[in-house]
Amino acid sequence: KNQVEQSPQSLIILEGKNCTLQCNYTVSPFSNLRWYKQDTGRGPVSLTIMTFSENTKSNGRYTATLDADTKQSSLHITASQLSDSASYICVVTLYGNNRLAFGKGNQVVVIP
Amino acid sequence: DAGVIQSPRHEVTEMGQEVTLRCKPISGHDYLFWYRQTMMRGLELLIYFNNNVPIDDSGMPEDRFSAKMPNASFSTLKIQPSEPRDSAVYFCASSLGLGGAQGYGYTFGSGTRLTVV
Repeated sequence: KNQVEQSPQSLIILEGKNCTLQCNYTVSPFSNLRWYKQDTGRGPVSLTIMTFSENTKSNGRYTATLDADTKQSSLHITASQLSDSASYICVVTLYGNNRLAFGKGNQVVVIP
Repeated sequence: DAGVIQSPRHEVTEMGQEVTLRCKPISGHDYLFWYRQTMMRGLELLIYFNNNVPIDDSGMPEDRFSAKMPNASFSTLKIQPSEPRDSAVYFCASSLGLGGAQGYGYTFGSGTRLTVV
């Protein structure tokens, strides 16, 4: 079973609307949790990073939350733009060996 | 800095041929990673280097895969012989330090899309 599960696998939203992506993980303990944005044909780019003691982090219109008790994180996109169309990948860093556990990503398509 | 540079961007080869993927990390970064990405499995770590030394190659699928880092500014991932199931996007990433509480970020290249026919 994958250590990081993301949902929904894909979604389509109208430009200007908000959306929330979910990440559930079983990795424990962990050092940090990152959300990456991957545009088509490009490598992933880090959006946010949170340690286990943080519960929210913002980067412009992107806001990530973390609940270490329930092992859940979410990425909220506010007022979506066409450029938000991408795959969003949740990545958890294992404490100790610093290995990364990747989710398979949420594919977001923003339509005008 | 131009970021992590990978070449070629696309590679199409016949089954059985040797394939060499190249990566130039960000200057000053002491860690270099090779990842493979497929729709079914997402991103998978193949191998990583620290100061040009391979540290963990447990993700390398089989002996057909090999990676080298002869100096701090260059690394190769070689597949010999290639098979259709090797078709994927291969990413190189580099970082200053290894991900942890310090939050060192990984910078990914744009990837090499490999198609083996």
